[in-house]
Amino acid sequence: KNEVEQSPQNLTAQEGEFITINCSYSVGISALHWLQQHPGGGIVSLFMLSSGKKKHGRLIATINIQEKHSSLHITASHPRDSAVYICAVVFGNQFYFGTGTSLTVIP
Amino acid sequence: EPEVTQTPSHQVTQMGQEVILRCVPISNHLYFYWYRQILGQKVEFLVSFYNNEISEKSEIFDDQFSVERPDGSNFTLKIRSTKLEDSAMYFCASSDSIVFRTGELFFGEGSRLTVL
Repeated sequence: KNEVEQSPQNLTAQEGEFITINCSYSVGISALHWLQQHPGGGIVSLFMLSSGKKKHGRLIATINIQEKHSSLHITASHPRDSAVYICAVVFGNQFYFGTGTSLTVIP
Repeated sequence: EPEVTQTPSHQVTQMGQEVILRCVPISNHLYFYWYRQILGQKVEFLVSFYNNEISEKSEIFDDQFSVERPDGSNFTLKIRSTKLEDSAMYFCASSDSIVFRTGELFFGEGSRLTVL
């Protein structure tokens, strides 16, 4: 089993702010996913990481395998970024999910 | 853009009844998954399916649950005798490669199951 912790649990930001969401896990993994869950419940995959850093638009995800830690950054945040962001790790061919970070971006 | 579709979007059932949740994965994908999310809790992995058989399942996926791909397009999750604690949102996902290697997961919109 792999314990996945996310912080913060809740985050409120002003539009334009730089946002960081953190994820740590207890056991070495083969991959880590960042997911976005919309208010209606639908889930979208943002990134899959096994090492290093990935960037997509205003989103940046990094992973440090040695420290068992990943971060998701949002630059120039916008109200449409408001969602729950979920970290999920792949360990032993199974997924283990974090509890999610609820982000609200205020105009 | 190709998408994963799930039906029904919401089902209400009586305890003890059988429920079948249906998913149509993206057509060229080979790997299929079911996850569930109890209201207010985190998403949990249930089962993965490849080459017409279960490749991994979690502790949650007990004998009450089964999956099958009856016709090459649909991927179903059956709960034989529903319990109150089965009330949750059930998500189907598919991928064109083994997730832990390179694959991006594509999720359906979910099926909300309410057991009364």
